[in-house]
Amino acid sequence: AQSVAQPEDQVNVAEGNPLTVKCTYSVSGNPYLFWYVQYPNRGLQFLLKYITGDNLVKGSYGFEAEFNKSQTSFHLKKPSALVSDSALYFCAVRAYNFNKFYFGSGTKLNVKP
Amino acid sequence: DVKVTQSSRYLVKRTGEKVFLECVQDMDHENMFWYRQDPGLGLRLIYFSYDVKMKEKGDIPEGYSVSREKKERFSLILESASTNQTSMYLCASNIGQLLETQYFGPGTRLLVL
Repeated sequence: AQSVAQPEDQVNVAEGNPLTVKCTYSVSGNPYLFWYVQYPNRGLQFLLKYITGDNLVKGSYGFEAEFNKSQTSFHLKKPSALVSDSALYFCAVRAYNFNKFYFGSGTKLNVKP
Repeated sequence: DVKVTQSSRYLVKRTGEKVFLECVQDMDHENMFWYRQDPGLGLRLIYFSYDVKMKEKGDIPEGYSVSREKKERFSLILESASTNQTSMYLCASNIGQLLETQYFGPGTRLLVL
């Protein structure tokens, strides 16, 4: 069965500090992993994805994510947080032969000035 | 840019009413999806469609039905709305290729009284 876990409901970080939003996954076969961001009263926006290749994936707005196969993790990172990064972040996984995405429960990121 | 639009941003209905939520995408995508989003539960797939008149149940199809008569339009129907269907409903689409991300609409916040 496919599943995604985001262990933190909320992450608080000061502006200018690095941030990490955690995600672990379970999937049959090769994982295809995604991060999305949701601003208040909006739909989800795609940030980045891992399909294959380099374990460090770069995406929109200065975000990157590190794929770790042995730990089955795909943590989202940013070297220097901005107040405007405050939003809800979702990790998602897709199995190779299924046209379905499985989403985590979401992590609310609060960046304080 | 891909555009996914949903017919209403906010909707208030009464218990027992039949409710139609409409979604339109303008990028000729094969696949369309309906999710509901609830705090702490993330996104849960209700139904998806991979072609006109084709549909598959997602993880929580009970109490819902869908219709896809044209490629660009995917409707979610609540046959008899209940208070436990109060939620945020998100529509998404993507092309048929396995590795493509989904594109989301802005969401419809439904309140059933």
